[in-house]
Amino acid sequence: QKEVEQDPGPLSVPEGAIVSLNCTYSNSAFQYFMWYRQYSRKGPELLMYTYSSGNKEDGRFTAQVDKSSKYISLFIRDSQPSDSATYLCAMSASMSTSYGKLTFGQGTILTVHP
Amino acid sequence: GAGVSQSPSNKVTEKGKDVELRCDPISGHTALYWYRQSLGQGLEFLIYFQGNSAPDKSGLPSDRFSAERTGGSVSTLTIQRTQQEDSAVYLCASSLAHLLETQYFGPGTRLLVL
Repeated sequence: QKEVEQDPGPLSVPEGAIVSLNCTYSNSAFQYFMWYRQYSRKGPELLMYTYSSGNKEDGRFTAQVDKSSKYISLFIRDSQPSDSATYLCAMSASMSTSYGKLTFGQGTILTVHP
Repeated sequence: GAGVSQSPSNKVTEKGKDVELRCDPISGHTALYWYRQSLGQGLEFLIYFQGNSAPDKSGLPSDRFSAERTGGSVSTLTIQRTQQEDSAVYLCASSLAHLLETQYFGPGTRLLVL
């Protein structure tokens, strides 16, 4: 079983919908939680970063971390066709022990249609 | 400013040949990572550099894979005697030493081994 599980989708939603993306993990040492967006044939781009549990909001994006359940989420409000991409969750343990090594989910392919 | 650059963007090679992939990190970023993204496997960590040294090589899949970094800047990932299973997108990321959780990715090199 992989350390980080993410439903690959694909997920198709109409413009304006609220999108919910999720990952579960098994390694309790993970403390840093990131969401990356990857457009086709491009490198991943960091969207959101959260340390430990809690919520973080940035514009239309909200990241949630529940360490007790080993579950993280990314919500996209008022989704736009330009949000169509692959969304990757990533995690890391203590920076001093893991050197920032990221463990990724498989990625969820999202399409927002007009 | 300039982001992470990688070359070549695409590489087609024959099984058994050696290949070199290059990464130019963001200026001033002392931390550098190599990841591999393949179908069905997602993004996997290969190696981490801090300056010119590699404290974590745990992700290199076999001794056919090696990497070096010179001058605390450019890094080269070398794959010897390539196999078809080496076909993947090889991604490089860099970060500041005190912000390892914020990694900036390059566009990747798409390697196809025939």
